[in-house]
Amino acid sequence: GENVEQHPSTLSVQEGDSAVIKCTYSDSASNYFPWYKQELGKGPQLIIDIRSNVGEKKDQRIAVTLNKTAKHFSLHITETQPEDSAVYFCAASIIYGQNFVFGPGTRLSVLP
Amino acid sequence: KAGVTQTPRYLIKTRGQQVTLSCSPISGHRSVSWYQQTPGQGLQFLFEYFSETQRNKGNFPGRFSGRQFSNSRSEMNVSTLELGDSALYLCASSFDSLGLFFGEGSRLTVL
Repeated sequence: GENVEQHPSTLSVQEGDSAVIKCTYSDSASNYFPWYKQELGKGPQLIIDIRSNVGEKKDQRIAVTLNKTAKHFSLHITETQPEDSAVYFCAASIIYGQNFVFGPGTRLSVLP
Repeated sequence: KAGVTQTPRYLIKTRGQQVTLSCSPISGHRSVSWYQQTPGQGLQFLFEYFSETQRNKGNFPGRFSGRQFSNSRSEMNVSTLELGDSALYLCASSFDSLGLFFGEGSRLTVL
């Protein structure tokens, strides 16, 4: 079955710097890749997603890139702010929009 | 628009008991998925329901079951609880099977 790896497991950056989180997936049939942010005591919140027919997508300070050949996708956060501190999860879906397999998560700390 | 609502938020059970968790999806969402979140295993897919039918199932034992009602509300049940079932159980709803909208979860502690 699908396997999603995520790196790094923890990441600390200074406020204003950029943060990059990378994920790799194993099944080339995966076609939908969302990113979720989970704050303490809350459920994961969808922050951005990308489909397999798109190479890059941007939404204000966050962007996601997808390399289908290498089977990896990355989350980029620019001009980080303390409120960006959370655990971030990537996910991959083989059956379009179903059966999500999540990465193990990255704990991002933005230091003021 | 109200978000995904899960009840109860916290509960404590003992080994061997059973538990039922409830999830009310966002209005208009017909797909409801359940995930188990633990520090060691991360987010693991349990099952997904769409229009009262189980559409997909993860690799969990038969002690884990669920159902969906005609109003899209869903319940999951865990029978014969084990210590390892202690986890945050997350429900997520979806309108078009793309983005999942998660509730805040039900935290189950098994003693």
